[in-house]
Amino acid sequence: QKEVEQNSGPLSVPEGAIASLNCTYSDRGSQSFFWYRQYSGKSPELIMSIYSNGDKEDGRFTAQLNKASQYVSLLIRDSQPSDSATYLCAVRPRITGGGNKLTFGTGTQLKVEL
Amino acid sequence: DTEVTQTPKHLVMGMTNKKSLKCEQHMGHRAMYWYKQKAKKPPELMFVYSYEKLSINESVPSRFSPECPNSSLLNLHLHALQPEDSALYLCASSPPDTGTGELFFGEGSRLTVL
Repeated sequence: QKEVEQNSGPLSVPEGAIASLNCTYSDRGSQSFFWYRQYSGKSPELIMSIYSNGDKEDGRFTAQLNKASQYVSLLIRDSQPSDSATYLCAVRPRITGGGNKLTFGTGTQLKVEL
Repeated sequence: DTEVTQTPKHLVMGMTNKKSLKCEQHMGHRAMYWYKQKAKKPPELMFVYSYEKLSINESVPSRFSPECPNSSLLNLHLHALQPEDSALYLCASSPPDTGTGELFFGEGSRLTVL
């Protein structure tokens, strides 16, 4: 079982719709969860972080965390073509041993269509 | 604009060359990282420096040599690389280990080994 799993996509949604991106993780002791957006050829950009169960909203983005189910998701409301990118889920394991050793999923490619 | 600056943005080198990648941050972060990313893959951790000491080496070949001259600077020295080392090399930094785990990436250095 991979430590962090995402559906690679592509996930295609029409402009204005809600895009739902999902991620599961294997380390039950994980405490910190992140979503990064990465445009083709560019570096990852942190868009959301979540640390406790429930929802966290920031503008058009909502992160949801369910530690019992080991599941984290990202909702993008009113999707725009500029949201087309690869979204990486990252998880901070229980033991990091100096520095923040994040484990990344393989990413979900999102395409927002006109 | 990212507050982690990487130079050069692009680098082409032969297998016998010696070159260096440089990274600088002025956010007061005390942990700095080198990641390697191949096309359509997630970032792979190479090295972590915590408080200017090497804390994690993910079994990286010795042809990659990291250096952390001070808390703001991180270098990656390259020597006798192979064509398969061609990739996007990402520098990142994170706040002192308070538990949040956020990583902030630079724009990356795209390396091509001929």
